[in-house]
Amino acid sequence: GEEVAQTPKHLVRGEGQKAKLYCAPIKGHSYVFWYQQVLKNEFKFLISFQNENVFDETGMPKERFSAKCLPNSPCSLEIQATKLEDSAVYFCASSHRSLHLGGAFFGQGTRLTVV
Amino acid sequence: SQQGEEDPQALSIQEGENATMNCSYKTSINNLQWYRQNSGRGLVHLILIRSNEREKHSGRLRVTLDTSKKSSSLLITASRAADTASYFCATDAFYNQGGKLIFGQGTELSVKP
Repeated sequence: GEEVAQTPKHLVRGEGQKAKLYCAPIKGHSYVFWYQQVLKNEFKFLISFQNENVFDETGMPKERFSAKCLPNSPCSLEIQATKLEDSAVYFCASSHRSLHLGGAFFGQGTRLTVV
Repeated sequence: SQQGEEDPQALSIQEGENATMNCSYKTSINNLQWYRQNSGRGLVHLILIRSNEREKHSGRLRVTLDTSKKSSSLLITASRAADTASYFCATDAFYNQGGKLIFGQGTELSVKP
């Protein structure tokens, strides 16, 4: 498709439950990125992929967060044992080329609320 | 902490006026990008300026880059109510392999009709 599709739009989880977010990048884009936005301000980088390979995971809290981009499947971001502080909007983005060369296309985000 | 710092944090102007937002960053960069976020929506890529460029135009947008001061500005001319949004600068740092953008805190622009 011509836009980055994220599902679900909203997700509510009790503390300690698992949350799984999905992202379908734009067809033909090799790079996928996940960002976390808390309180409408700061965008925190989590992880990026080049095709199905992890490209940069320096932003991932390793203990509870994991992500995958498998061929012929939407990419996913999973949070095990959610905490209140995980409440945020999670954005997925994709780009055709490295960010050295162009900008990224962002999805509409998944709003995760942990109660 | 975020690479980019933006000022002002909030800006309110009348339709037809120009809006200028500034961004400062800390490390050497490959490029600097500006994005817009409408309330409750994702980011929309506006313009990219490479580290060897000083100025770039796109429609009503003008971006400048001063690598010696590690700063950039975004000028929106003849603003419209539809320009109301948050604007973020983002840097593609020189040391990384194009794997991530580092965002500023954003400027919230309100254009009153």
